[in-house]
Amino acid sequence: DIQMTQSPASLSASLEEIVTITCQASQDIGNWLSWYQQKPGKSPQLLIYGATSLADGVPSRFSGSRSGTQYSLKISRLQVEDIGIYYCLQAYSALTWTFGGGTKLELK
Amino acid sequence: EVQLVESGGGLVQPGRSLKLSCAASGFTFSNYYMAWVRQAPKKGLEWVATISTSGSRTYYPDSVKGRFTISRDNAKSSLYLQMNSLKSEDTATYYCARKDWELDYWGQGVMVTVSS
Repeated sequence: DIQMTQSPASLSASLEEIVTITCQASQDIGNWLSWYQQKPGKSPQLLIYGATSLADGVPSRFSGSRSGTQYSLKISRLQVEDIGIYYCLQAYSALTWTFGGGTKLELK
Repeated sequence: EVQLVESGGGLVQPGRSLKLSCAASGFTFSNYYMAWVRQAPKKGLEWVATISTSGSRTYYPDSVKGRFTISRDNAKSSLYLQMNSLKSEDTATYYCARKDWELDYWGQGVMVTVSS
């Protein structure tokens, strides 16, 4: 099975700061990587799909990148509404999908 | 507007069964793969099942394979999850989600508690 190692598990950052979260895949998954934001008590929301494509309605301060089997989510200027938990998801094979363990983002 | 509304959750004893439903609206249901994802209390997300557009292909992780069955009724724009032989570790909020490139729309979730 494909493993997704997400880091850090938690992160404290200041407003306007640049934030980066990473997911390391245990094998090649191409661009079958998406990022989700979950706010307290809410359902997850899609941020990034295809590793680098911004989902509809998502602010442009969010971006995704890929370097080999390492995937990153970057928030260019942290806003208060960005607080929540972030997850990556690999869907390379229809047979098995894997979420990363999550990153809890808090305000410093 | 795309809407996914889950129902059927509740408290169930270990070893018993429960069937979740997800009513879809605002899009052509039969054109999309659909999935179930769960989240145990204070834990992360876990993929539970995926179904193809026609329902002919289904996929599960080992943790639920043989116990859970995903199905759909395209005429009713509805998705289902039949959960048998439930265990305490199945306690979670269950979300249905639409799969386009990825999981682009999610329902609000329904809570399932497995306890005696």
